[in-house]
Amino acid sequence: GAVVSQHPSRVICKSGTSVKIECRSLDFQATTMFWYRQFPKQSLMLMATSNEGSKATYEQGVEKDKFLINHASLTLSTLTVTSAHPEDSSFYICSPGEGANYGYTFGSGTRLTVV
Amino acid sequence: AQSVTQLDSHVSVSEGTPVLLRCNYSSSYSPSLFWYVQHPNKGLQLLLKYTSAATLVKGINGFEAEFKKSETSFHLTKPSAHMSDAAEYFCVVSGGVSGGSNYKLTFGKGTLLTVNP
Repeated sequence: GAVVSQHPSRVICKSGTSVKIECRSLDFQATTMFWYRQFPKQSLMLMATSNEGSKATYEQGVEKDKFLINHASLTLSTLTVTSAHPEDSSFYICSPGEGANYGYTFGSGTRLTVV
Repeated sequence: AQSVTQLDSHVSVSEGTPVLLRCNYSSSYSPSLFWYVQHPNKGLQLLLKYTSAATLVKGINGFEAEFKKSETSFHLTKPSAHMSDAAEYFCVVSGGVSGGSNYKLTFGKGTLLTVNP
């Protein structure tokens, strides 16, 4: 199956700073990247869907100016949490897709703690 | 619209006994259904996926699930639990909407499986 590399696996940052999370598709051309967020003891919620070379589509309630997504190539998508607040502390996970080929692989996740 | 309900938030079994994790779904279109496992602070691993082929789907690690359209269910089973099966399990539906959101995954709230020695 597809191999996805997500990093950092864990990051602690101060309130007001920005954090960038990278998701690389190592052997798969990810025309689409799904970004999910998981709060403690809760399920995953889709935040946004990005397509290579175009703007991301955000789910209702997700601030596009706060969670910047860049999907400039078929192998790399980034999520930047800007002006981070403690309530942004969560587990962020990416998952690549290509047409109907999706849902098979997820990144290992990034544990973000904002202090 | 699509949704998924995992009927049990926590299931506890003894090692060597069968596992049953229940899932019901709602979908306006023919859905794809998935089961994932997540160990603590880890990413998700796909156990199996149903995509309108055989209704009994066999996955990894001895797990299988049966798609029952009449019952809108997709329960996950394993004949004999192993200690390493202890983890969080998510039932997921996709393809239940039209247009660009067709590949959106909608997750259930998860079932925590505990395996007792």
